[in-house]
Amino acid sequence: SQQGEEDPQALSIQEGENATMNCSYKTSINNLQWYRQNSGRGLVHLILIRSNEREKHSGRLRVTLDTSKKSSSLLITASRAADTASYFCCEGSGNTGKLIFGQGTTLQVKP
Amino acid sequence: DTEVTQTPKHLVMGMTNKKSLKCEQHMGHRAMYWYKQKAKKPPELMFVYSYEKLSINESVPSRFSPECPNSSLLNLHLHALQPEDSALYLCASSQHTVGQGYEQYFGPGTRLTVT
Repeated sequence: SQQGEEDPQALSIQEGENATMNCSYKTSINNLQWYRQNSGRGLVHLILIRSNEREKHSGRLRVTLDTSKKSSSLLITASRAADTASYFCCEGSGNTGKLIFGQGTTLQVKP
Repeated sequence: DTEVTQTPKHLVMGMTNKKSLKCEQHMGHRAMYWYKQKAKKPPELMFVYSYEKLSINESVPSRFSPECPNSSLLNLHLHALQPEDSALYLCASSQHTVGQGYEQYFGPGTRLTVT
């Protein structure tokens, strides 16, 4: 399978704590993207980091990329109950638009 | 308007039925996608359309037939499905497919049950 792995598979934290999710991927990426999915619904794009970038911020989100280790991490700071969702990292191709999804991390933020 | 709409939201069909899923976007995007997602699994790409032409078919069985009538619409025609085809079907769009990477906008999905 081409799919990457995410770690941990499940994460439970208290509101206000930080959440860190890690992703390892397999292909030579053009970009890596993170998406959020609330229970059984459509996905929402969070952040895109290109292969020549090492870190990117968006609000409470911080994404890092290490192409030498084929890994990425997503940090959510000061988590809220509304952050409860599944988070997927996706390997992006620059030629086809194809996204290869990782297995995902299920995050539960307790109020 | 940054919305991708999908109809119907839910669909129950028998194995001998023919039905269609519809997807629409008005963001001027030239790439559209169909994904299949089983419970507690990540989405799996089925088809990619670029400029209304099929550019990727991920070896999807012929009982699934995609169609892109124009740049705003994407259909998925279903015929003689199997119970294992029951899943959430997601449509997405992006500005283009080729380049430095484009975020995909997803619709809410159609939850399909095959009986």
